[in-house]
Amino acid sequence: QKEVEQNSGPLSVPEGAIASLNCTYSDRGSQSFFWYRQYSGKSPELIMFIYSNGDKEDGRFTAQLNKASQYVSLLIRDSQPSDSATYLCAVKRRYGGSQGNLIFGKGTKLSVKP
Amino acid sequence: EPEVTQTPSHQVTQMGQEVILRCVPISNHLYFYWYRQILGQKVEFLVSFYNNEISEKSEIFDDQFSVERPDGSNFTLKIRSTKLEDSAMYFCASSGGGRAAGFYNEQFFGPGTRLTVL
Repeated sequence: QKEVEQNSGPLSVPEGAIASLNCTYSDRGSQSFFWYRQYSGKSPELIMFIYSNGDKEDGRFTAQLNKASQYVSLLIRDSQPSDSATYLCAVKRRYGGSQGNLIFGKGTKLSVKP
Repeated sequence: EPEVTQTPSHQVTQMGQEVILRCVPISNHLYFYWYRQILGQKVEFLVSFYNNEISEKSEIFDDQFSVERPDGSNFTLKIRSTKLEDSAMYFCASSGGGRAAGFYNEQFFGPGTRLTVL
């Protein structure tokens, strides 16, 4: 069974702090990794993706990937109350030449306190 | 900014009835997906569709489910005989500006259809 694991939280951080969200995956053949944000009752909204080991930065967000440890993380700098949401880690399986489907974790609920 | 749209936003049906959920993917995308999310649980893959045929499907996508692209814009999910456990949020997603875009193409989700089976 291919799994994506996340700490369900809630993770509570004060406004302006760095929020660190973690994800592990079991399938070593996984090729690309995605972070989605999901507000309650809404659909997943793509924040960023990463497929090479190391860090990838986009504004206040940094994704980190370590394929050897099968670990991917998302850092949110200068956290704002509007960042309060559930953050979903998703992994795309190796699947030949096709686009491949996403395997999601259960998500980590983040609460940013003013 | 182009986006995926879905109709209806909420569908209530009786157990055993057929439902059709509709999606309009982003216009230049070639890959289409359906996912579902039961309340409080994770998003689960149902099916992917490319070039007018199913590319991959999960164990959830049994004979009660079917997908179709009836015209150049719509992508539909049909559930033939709904069960109570089909109650969930159903998300359509699309990706891909062409095969050259490669394996890493991100998927964009529609707002979802909440299906309630009574």
